[in-house]
Amino acid sequence: QKEVEQNSGPLSVPEGAIASLNCTYSDRVSQSFFWYRQYSGKSPELIMSIYSNGDKEDGRFTAQLNKASQYVSLLIRDSQPSDSATYLCAVNFGMDSSYKLIFGSGTRLLVRP
Amino acid sequence: DVKVTQSSRYLVKRTGEKVFLECVQDMDHENMFWYRQDPGLGLRLIYFSYDVKMKEKGDIPEGYSVSREKKERFSLILESASTNQTSMYLCASSIGSDTQYFGPGTRLTVL
Repeated sequence: QKEVEQNSGPLSVPEGAIASLNCTYSDRVSQSFFWYRQYSGKSPELIMSIYSNGDKEDGRFTAQLNKASQYVSLLIRDSQPSDSATYLCAVNFGMDSSYKLIFGSGTRLLVRP
Repeated sequence: DVKVTQSSRYLVKRTGEKVFLECVQDMDHENMFWYRQDPGLGLRLIYFSYDVKMKEKGDIPEGYSVSREKKERFSLILESASTNQTSMYLCASSIGSDTQYFGPGTRLTVL
């Protein structure tokens, strides 16, 4: 059974701080990894995708991937109250499920003004 | 710009009714997906389609069927709605194994 695990939170950080969101997954052959942001009552929207080990930066967001440890994280620098949302980690495990993403249950982030 | 639309934002139906949820994408994506999302259970895949008239069951297909007659349109059908199908339904599309783009969602209530 392929699984993606996230701490449900809430993760509470003060405005301006770095928020660190973590995700672990069950299969080392996983190929691609995605972070989505979901505001309450809205649909998920893509923040970042990452495909190889290391860091990938996009503005205030950095995704970090470590395939050996089966771990992907999202760092949000200079957190803003508007970043308060649920963050979903998604993994494509490849092989016979090549089209499918497996989603974690999400981490709720609360940025305090 | 990527666009996935769903036929209704909110829907209220009665137990036993047949319910159609429609999803349309304008990105010429091969793959389309239907999920439901419930508090504490995350996103669960109901069905997906990788080509016109092709479909595969996801993790929770029971009580649902799908139709994909045209590349841009993917319909989810609840043959006989039940109260445990009250949920948020999300459609998504993608090319290959890449990013899935989501529609705005349909919040379905079955009374």
